[in-house]
Amino acid sequence: GAGVSQSPSNKVTEKGKDVELRCDPISGHTALYWYRQSLGQGLEFLIYFQGNSAPDKSGLPSDRFSAERTGGSVSTLTIQRTQQEDSAVYLCASSTVVLRPTDTQYFGPGTRLTVL
Amino acid sequence: AQSVTQLDSHVSVSEGTPVLLRCNYSSSYSPSLFWYVQHPNKGLQLLLKYTSAATLVKGINGFEAEFKKSETSFHLTKPSAHMSDAAEYFCVVSDQDFGNEKLTFGTGTRLTIIP
Repeated sequence: GAGVSQSPSNKVTEKGKDVELRCDPISGHTALYWYRQSLGQGLEFLIYFQGNSAPDKSGLPSDRFSAERTGGSVSTLTIQRTQQEDSAVYLCASSTVVLRPTDTQYFGPGTRLTVL
Repeated sequence: AQSVTQLDSHVSVSEGTPVLLRCNYSSSYSPSLFWYVQHPNKGLQLLLKYTSAATLVKGINGFEAEFKKSETSFHLTKPSAHMSDAAEYFCVVSDQDFGNEKLTFGTGTRLTIIP
């Protein structure tokens, strides 16, 4: 079946502009995760959703970052007033259940964000 | 708090020789441990996972890892490297604290295969 998809695959924006990143999880997966990968920093957990609610937002780097999920499916990560340090690859993952850490997370291809 | 340390940022091996990618972890609870691989311009792919069953875990593409609690290690190995193994590898620890599942990633090890 179809895997996790993300759009756009690449986004170049100017400093100060807002951007929206979209994630379509695997159908039926209740858990959805956002990570980002900055050069030399490894992967950083941002937020996860259980259904439409986000029990843990502690990974969001600042209040310029927000995320929502509607209908238990598509999620949007929004970055307001982008800064150059926001440049990274943003990865989305989904899994069947969020409360069992052994459930495999399936990753999308990522969105590469470049802030000029 | 949990953490992961990948001891080598870059490993180079010749094709056909063994691969060893080192990972040490710390966790307040009995951890679940994972290795992910990321090929250029691809998303992450799960190689293998340890979830308190057998300490020697076999994964895809001939990789395996051994959980050693006394050494707090979860090193990834492969007997014979192939050119297609060239990629970035991430060691990951998961806290088994139900209601607050969070994965912590290492900084990654870039594996280069020399023909």
